Amino acid sequence: RKEVEQDPGPFNVPEGATVAFNCTYSNSASQSFFWYRQDCRKEPKLLMSVYSSGNEDGRFTAQLNRASQYISLLIRDSKLSDSATYLCVVNPFSGGYNKLIFGAGTRLAVHP
Amino acid sequence: ETGVTQSPTHLIKTRGQQVTLRCSSQSGHNTVSWYQQALGQGPQFIFQYYREEENGRGNFPPRFSGLQFPNYSSELNVNALELDDSALYLCASSLQGESYGYTFGSGTRLTVV
Repeated sequence: RKEVEQDPGPFNVPEGATVAFNCTYSNSASQSFFWYRQDCRKEPKLLMSVYSSGNEDGRFTAQLNRASQYISLLIRDSKLSDSATYLCVVNPFSGGYNKLIFGAGTRLAVHP
Repeated sequence: ETGVTQSPTHLIKTRGQQVTLRCSSQSGHNTVSWYQQALGQGPQFIFQYYREEENGRGNFPPRFSGLQFPNYSSELNVNALELDDSALYLCASSLQGESYGYTFGSGTRLTVV
C-alpha cells in the first residue's frame, strides 16, 4: 500500500466551480500534513499546511481527520490559474527525522 | 534571501554512465533532501543530508549517493545509470527539525538513453 494515496484525476471543471480533492495516508504516527501545488514541469510549492481544526486561506480550505487518516482540500470559485497538479504531502517523522512523503498528485484543469 | 539553485537544468546520459547533480541550499537552511520525480508521479524521497552526513534514506539502491559540504550545498551522484533513472531530480533545503519550511529548487531533468 502506498504511504500517501490520491485520486489522480484529472478533474476538469469550469471557472467558478467548487472542487474537492481527497487523500489518505497509511502511517498513523504522521505528524504534519501539507498540500503542495506543482505547475507543469516546475518545482512543487507549498500551498498550505493542514491542521486537525481545519484551516482556510482565501478560496482554499484544508481539513485533516486523524482518526480516518484522511486529508482534504476544497477550492471554491475556481480560477483558470488554479490549473495545476495538487500534491498531498505527509511528514511521517519516522527514523527520528523529518521528511516529506508525496502522493502521486491530482491534476486539476479549469476551463472557461 | 537566495533560493535553492540546481545545476544543470537538463542532462542527457547514456545507460551505464555516472552523473553528478548539484544543489545550493537557501540561505539559512542547513538540511538538504533529494527527490526523484518520474513522469506522472509524485516526488519520491531519495535521502537527506544534515551536518555533512546522510541522516535518512528512502528506498533507493546504493548506486544513489550524495554529499553535503560545509556551506550546506549538496551533490547527488548516480552510478551505473539505468533507463528508469530518467526523471526530474529535485533538491529541497530546510532547517533541521522543521517540516513546513521546505524550499525546492527547479530541478534537474535527467534523460538516460
